[in-house]
Amino acid sequence: EDKVVQSPLSLVVHEGDTVTLNCSYEVTNFRSLLWYKQEKKAPTFLFMLTSSGIEKKSGRLSSILDKKELFSILNITATQTGDSAVYLCAVGGSGNTGKLIFGQGTTLQVKP
Amino acid sequence: GAVVSQHPSWVICKSGTSVKIECRSLDFQATTMFWYRQFPKQSLMLMATSNEGSKATYEQGVEKDKFLINHASLTLSTLTVTSAHPEDSSFYICSARRPSYEQYFGPGTRLTVT
Repeated sequence: EDKVVQSPLSLVVHEGDTVTLNCSYEVTNFRSLLWYKQEKKAPTFLFMLTSSGIEKKSGRLSSILDKKELFSILNITATQTGDSAVYLCAVGGSGNTGKLIFGQGTTLQVKP
Repeated sequence: GAVVSQHPSWVICKSGTSVKIECRSLDFQATTMFWYRQFPKQSLMLMATSNEGSKATYEQGVEKDKFLINHASLTLSTLTVTSAHPEDSSFYICSARRPSYEQYFGPGTRLTVT
């Protein structure tokens, strides 16, 4: 059965800290891995990764995929209170529909 | 990033009535859209995959006669909750998939059935 596992499930840090969120997967016919940030409303798109070893970066956020070891990490440097959210990892697998399999999410709280 | 809109953002209806939620991709054509529901503090639950011009594919346990999905064009999919009951109260979110396989979510619709 396809599955996506995120760790840790929750994390509390202080402003300025660097955090690393993990996502491992077992998905048939892997196509892509996506990271989303969800605050009070619907998830907002952060990154989509399809190739191993190529870092994607946006401001203080970066992410990389390892297709051999079947995992991805999302790094946030110099965290701010506005980074507090649930971070979702999703994997697009078999078939052409683009259906995503979601992990449980990591709840990040950044304290002032 | 791409823009996906949903309308309405919040709706209250009486038990037994039907509610239609619209999902639009504003700056790209989406051959595939997805409908999710989310309960408080829980993860997204995929309800159905909607393909333009064809019948939606429902996930196991989702009643297709209760949750009617229409994907009339490359930029519009609708979800109709028929004969709504209080247990249908939830946060409904659509997503639209680009040809590149990036998926963008709409802002969600909060449905409250009284």
